Amino acid sequence: ETGVTQSPTHLIKTRGQQVTLRCSSQSGHNTVSWYQQALGQGPQFIFQYYREEENGRGNFPPRFSGLQFPNYSSELNVNALELDDSALYLCASSGREYADTQYFGPGTRLTVL
Amino acid sequence: QKEVEQNSGPLSVPEGAIASLNCTYSDRVSQSFFWYRQYSGKSPELIMSIYSNGDKEDGRFTAQLNKASQYVSLLIRDSQPSDSATYLCAVNPRDDKIIFGKGTRLHILP
Repeated sequence: ETGVTQSPTHLIKTRGQQVTLRCSSQSGHNTVSWYQQALGQGPQFIFQYYREEENGRGNFPPRFSGLQFPNYSSELNVNALELDDSALYLCASSGREYADTQYFGPGTRLTVL
Repeated sequence: QKEVEQNSGPLSVPEGAIASLNCTYSDRVSQSFFWYRQYSGKSPELIMSIYSNGDKEDGRFTAQLNKASQYVSLLIRDSQPSDSATYLCAVNPRDDKIIFGKGTRLHILP
């Protein structure tokens, strides 16, 4: 176990709806990164948060947004859900000294109907 | 376009043999490299990180890095059925936006 937790574990939404996914980072970690993993693919970087500020973003549209809180937990929000948003959403936490050594939470499986 | 390439497999290896997993990357300035193991339906689990050319050993696992050839590999000695999983290669192209390969499925034959 990495100490990174995510909620919920599974979620079913319909096209056009909005969703919020949550992540609690490992104790002592102040950096959170979010990834989308479609079936049969590797994780794709969505964005990273460090000290409550966005610290890098991948090729995802603005309807993917996020927040980081003072306790370093984080949220991923997705608006106007599309069928292709169905995927496993992974949160990874890391310490700032080795920000690229990331430890993943269990993920949230999102299904969009 | 920064890319990380892996053979999707499946790679079948007899129990007790050495499994060899390979990965190439396109961005020459990449500075850190990772191998993750992912069981079906689970999240990726960090196995190894490597930053310098050469070999790095941890138990049954050895990561090998050749920056000149833009190549990183993972060797698993004395393969066990529990090693059957998808192995993801990940690369940091210096901006902390980690790029993952699609993974190689490894199947250890009992």
